[in-house]
Amino acid sequence: GEEVAQTPKHLVRGEGQKAKLYCAPIKGHSYVFWYQQVLKNEFKFLISFQNENVFDETGMPKERFSAKCLPNSPCSLEIQATKLEDSAVYFCASSQSVDRAFFGPGTRLTVL
Amino acid sequence: AQSVTQLDSHVSVSEGTPVLLRCNYSSSYSPSLFWYVQHPNKGLQLLLKYTSAATLVKGINGFEAEFKKSETSFHLTKPSAHMSDAAEYFCVVSGGSGGYNKLIFGAGTRLAVHP
Repeated sequence: GEEVAQTPKHLVRGEGQKAKLYCAPIKGHSYVFWYQQVLKNEFKFLISFQNENVFDETGMPKERFSAKCLPNSPCSLEIQATKLEDSAVYFCASSQSVDRAFFGPGTRLTVL
Repeated sequence: AQSVTQLDSHVSVSEGTPVLLRCNYSSSYSPSLFWYVQHPNKGLQLLLKYTSAATLVKGINGFEAEFKKSETSFHLTKPSAHMSDAAEYFCVVSGGSGGYNKLIFGAGTRLAVHP
C-alpha cells in the first residue's frame, strides 16, 4: 500500500511489562526507521534498517530495546521491562530514496 | 554531523497575516532539508523539501521555504495564515556521505493562528 501502517494505535503497559509495536512499511521501500517522540516535541532517532539489516542503531537504548525487520513480516520494536520514561509516541517511517521519508500515524505507548 | 535549530518555540499570528518560522541548520555535507507539520494527535506530513535543486522551494498548502547557504537557513513562510495552519512544525535535516541517513529534527515550532 501507499501508507505506512502502525499497530496498535494505543498501548498501555504497567511498569516492567513488555511492549511490542509493529510497522508495515510501504511496499518496495528498502529503508525503515523508528523514532520516539516524547512530550509532543523532541523526535529521537532510534534505529534504521536497510531491508532486514540494521543500518544505524546509534539511538537505541540497547539494554531494553530491540527491533527487527524480517522478510514478509511487519517490522517490530520491542521494549522489555518498560519504564515510565518510555511513555511516548513511536513513529515508524519508510523510504526508498534519500529525499523523502513517509511516516506512519504512530503508536502511543503509555507506561503506568 | 548535522543539527537543526528552530529559533522560535511558539509563533502566534492573526488569520490572514504572513507566517515566518525560522530554522538554521548545521551540516558537514550538502544537506537535504525538510519541513514537516504535525497536527494535534496526528502523524507527520511533509510540507516541502530541498535537495540541492532550486533554492526556493514551494510546498503544499501555500507554504514555501528558501535555502540560503550563506546564512545556513531554511525559513518557512506563508503569505496568509489560515486557522487550519495551527499545528507543530518541524525543520529537519538529512545528509551524509553515501547512503540514506537518519533525519535530525529540530525542537519544533508551535504555530497558533488567531481569528
